[in-house]
Amino acid sequence: GESVGLHLPTLSVQEGDNSIINCAYSNSASDYFIWYKQESGKGPQFIIDIRSNMDKRQGQRVTVLLNKTVKHLSLQIAATQPGDSAVYFCAENIGNTGNQFYFGTGTSLTVIP
Amino acid sequence: ETGVTQTPRHLVMGMTNKKSLKCEQHLGHNAMYWYKQSAKKPLELMFVYSLEERVENNSVPSRFSPECPNSSHLFLHLHTLQPEDSALYLCASSQDQTIEQYFGPGTRLTVT
Repeated sequence: GESVGLHLPTLSVQEGDNSIINCAYSNSASDYFIWYKQESGKGPQFIIDIRSNMDKRQGQRVTVLLNKTVKHLSLQIAATQPGDSAVYFCAENIGNTGNQFYFGTGTSLTVIP
Repeated sequence: ETGVTQTPRHLVMGMTNKKSLKCEQHLGHNAMYWYKQSAKKPLELMFVYSLEERVENNSVPSRFSPECPNSSHLFLHLHTLQPEDSALYLCASSQDQTIEQYFGPGTRLTVT
């Protein structure tokens, strides 16, 4: 199967600080990436996406960076809030495999008030 | 709310039972999915339906049987499950298969 993993299983940050969650992927043919947030008792929620023709994309308080050279994806959350506490995972889409998404195992982010 | 609902939210069943999970999407999407989420494992894609036709079946045991009667509804019929099938079962939908999926809240299944 595809290797989509996260460097750290858990991350704790102080409220107001910036958070960085990383994701590595192995297939250079991956052309579309998504970050999801999953809160306890809920399904994954779309945060932001990026296509392989871009290096950076910004949303509200979130930025995704894509480094295709080292097959690395990161999610940056600015001014982290207690409501950001959740599991975050990345998903990659490889266009030549029938458009199936491959998901990482997730990083658990805890925001300390 | 994501526009994808799942019922029931929790289900406990014995290994000889037959039950069904239901998913409904109110987004007008044309693709629907079933995923299995186990602790500390990546989401596992089980089935994909596009325009009500099954397009993906990732070597899922026959004790799981999907049904997609129309583009808004998706079922997962369960029979003679094993304890290792206990997990969170997530339904998702998308407009086409190449863009982001919207997930329901999941059904927490426990097989005893």
